[in-house]
Amino acid sequence: DGGITQSPKYLFRKEGQNVTLSCEQNLNHDAMYWYRQDPGQGLRLIYYSQIVNDFQKGDIAEGYSVSREKKESFPLTVTSAQKNPTAFYLCASSMRDRAYEQYFGPGTRLTVT
Amino acid sequence: AQSVTQLDSQVPVFEEAPVELRCNYSSSVSVYLFWYVQYPNQGLQLLLKYLSGSTLVKGINGFEAEFNKSQTSFHLRKPSVHISDTAEYFCAVSDPLGSSASKIIFGSGTRLSIRP
Repeated sequence: DGGITQSPKYLFRKEGQNVTLSCEQNLNHDAMYWYRQDPGQGLRLIYYSQIVNDFQKGDIAEGYSVSREKKESFPLTVTSAQKNPTAFYLCASSMRDRAYEQYFGPGTRLTVT
Repeated sequence: AQSVTQLDSQVPVFEEAPVELRCNYSSSVSVYLFWYVQYPNQGLQLLLKYLSGSTLVKGINGFEAEFNKSQTSFHLRKPSVHISDTAEYFCAVSDPLGSSASKIIFGSGTRLSIRP
């Protein structure tokens, strides 16, 4: 079955540690996205990538970093510089010319204490 | 810049009753509109989309939405809800002619709770 996988589903970290969230897709999509979801605030775009080895900052990129070395993978690193990292993180992908139709993974809930 | 307003953060309804979830967007020359559903602790699933053509859009699970350009609205409706419709619903907008066609702007969500 084609789809997007995110792992792990739940992640716990101590404050001051960097943590990397995994996102893999086998839909052959060129574009991939990372969103952050907080209660009552909807989804906010962190980073997106339209092609391998290229990515752009979204609305709330500070404290995050990404890489896009392979078409299938778009890992997100939450660095210690992110002031409020506890959130639900969603990865999505789309065809490059159909960015309006994004397919979402199941999400990773990150808790930092 | 585009924006989306979902007027109700929570909507409780009884099972088999009709429901309308409201969504308004900021005006633009052209716009793509979407409704997504999110079940607890899951990702988002596309319910329906308006790109062009008929203003009444039918989606999955019996939902439909109507694009109203004069009122800049895209309200979601279902004539009879089921317990399994309990979820959070997000309205979203994309500007196909904007500087970055890759961006979808999401509303803050409406939590639909169905009472037996």
